[in-house]
Amino acid sequence: DIQMTQSPSFVSASVGDRVTITCRASQDIYRWLAWYQQKPGEAPKLLIYASSTLQTGVPSRFSGSGSGTDFTLTISSLQPEDFATYYCQQANVFPRAFGQGTRLEIK
Amino acid sequence: QVQLQESGPGLVRPSETLSLTCSVSGVSINNYYWSWIRQPPGKGLEWLGYIYFSGSSKYNSALGGRVGMSMDTAKNQFSLGLRSVTEADTAVYYCARDNQMGTEYYFDYWGQGALVVVSS
Repeated sequence: DIQMTQSPSFVSASVGDRVTITCRASQDIYRWLAWYQQKPGEAPKLLIYASSTLQTGVPSRFSGSGSGTDFTLTISSLQPEDFATYYCQQANVFPRAFGQGTRLEIK
Repeated sequence: QVQLQESGPGLVRPSETLSLTCSVSGVSINNYYWSWIRQPPGKGLEWLGYIYFSGSSKYNSALGGRVGMSMDTAKNQFSLGLRSVTEADTAVYYCARDNQMGTEYYFDYWGQGALVVVSS
């Protein structure tokens, strides 16, 4: 099975900051990676799929990049509503696998 | 507007079967894949499996063959069964649409989640 590893597990940042989260797959997953945002008590929300394609309605301050085994999620200018936990997920093979999550908190 | 809603018992005894149903509105469950995903309290996400309207399914082998899924197209619902549960199966269980976006499939709509506690 493919293992997904995110870093960091926790990040503290301020409104307006630029933040980058990294996701590494244990084997090549091409570009088949998604990013989800989850707020406390809510279901995850799809932000980005196919490594860099923004889901409809997601603000353009979110961007994704990468291919193969290394991927990044960047938030260009943090807004108060962005403080949440972010998960990557590989869509290349079964079983689908998620990273352990990166918790983004307000500094 | 696509909406999903999980329902089922919130408490299950150890060794028994956990059963949940996902009711879908705003779209027919035909022609889509539908998945179950769970999240233990304070932990990450685990994909359990999917079912397709044709009846085909695929499950996560990490569950040791304890999982089964079914669909009721007349009611626009699909269901999860997890046998021989233990306390480790305590989690929020989500149903989600596994939608083809480009060439691969991603979870684009989710239910709000149902907390199931396994306890005697």
